[in-house]
Amino acid sequence: AQSVTQPDIHITVSEGASLELRCNYSYGATPYLFWYVQSPGQGLQLLLKYFSGDTLVQGIKGFEAEFKRSQSSFNLRKPSVHWSDAAEYFCAVGANTGKLIFGQGTTLQVKP
Amino acid sequence: ETGVTQTPRHLVMGMTNKKSLKCEQHLGHNAMYWYKQSAKKPLELMFVYSLEERVENNSVPSRFSPECPNSSHLFLHLHTLQPEDSALYLCASSQVPAGVQETQYFGPGTRLLVL
Repeated sequence: AQSVTQPDIHITVSEGASLELRCNYSYGATPYLFWYVQSPGQGLQLLLKYFSGDTLVQGIKGFEAEFKRSQSSFNLRKPSVHWSDAAEYFCAVGANTGKLIFGQGTTLQVKP
Repeated sequence: ETGVTQTPRHLVMGMTNKKSLKCEQHLGHNAMYWYKQSAKKPLELMFVYSLEERVENNSVPSRFSPECPNSSHLFLHLHTLQPEDSALYLCASSQVPAGVQETQYFGPGTRLLVL
């Protein structure tokens, strides 16, 4: 069965520090992978997605993610975090049926 | 209006009330989704409409009744809800998948509180 695990429920980083949010998935075929961000009181905004090709994917707001098939991972990274990045981040895996399976989310807090 | 809009943004209702949530997408998509987001739980897919036909119903209680009158509008009719139904209800839309995963675009959600 498809599943997504985000091991870190809550992460705190200092402004300007680098960030890595972990995502592990379970899926039998080639996965379609997504990262979404949700600011307080808002819906989900797509940060980036991986369908095929280059395993390092660039997204909006300076985020990138790397697909590692051998580790079943799709970790999200940003070299320098800004205070406005404080939000909840969701990893999701999708099948060709159009259904998305989401992880439980990681809340990012940014210290000044 | 652009993207996916949802109304109302906040709703408080009693367990005997009947209310409806509305979603409208302005992206030319033809698939629409309802999700439930509860605290500390992953997003739960409730319903999927593709080309105005319901294609998925994830064991959702009958007190939730979806309606998709056309490809741009999606409703969620609520009646005799329970306090545990309090959550953020998110609507999303996408193109109908044709063997590949299409990106889903989300609305801001309706925050529902059932008293």
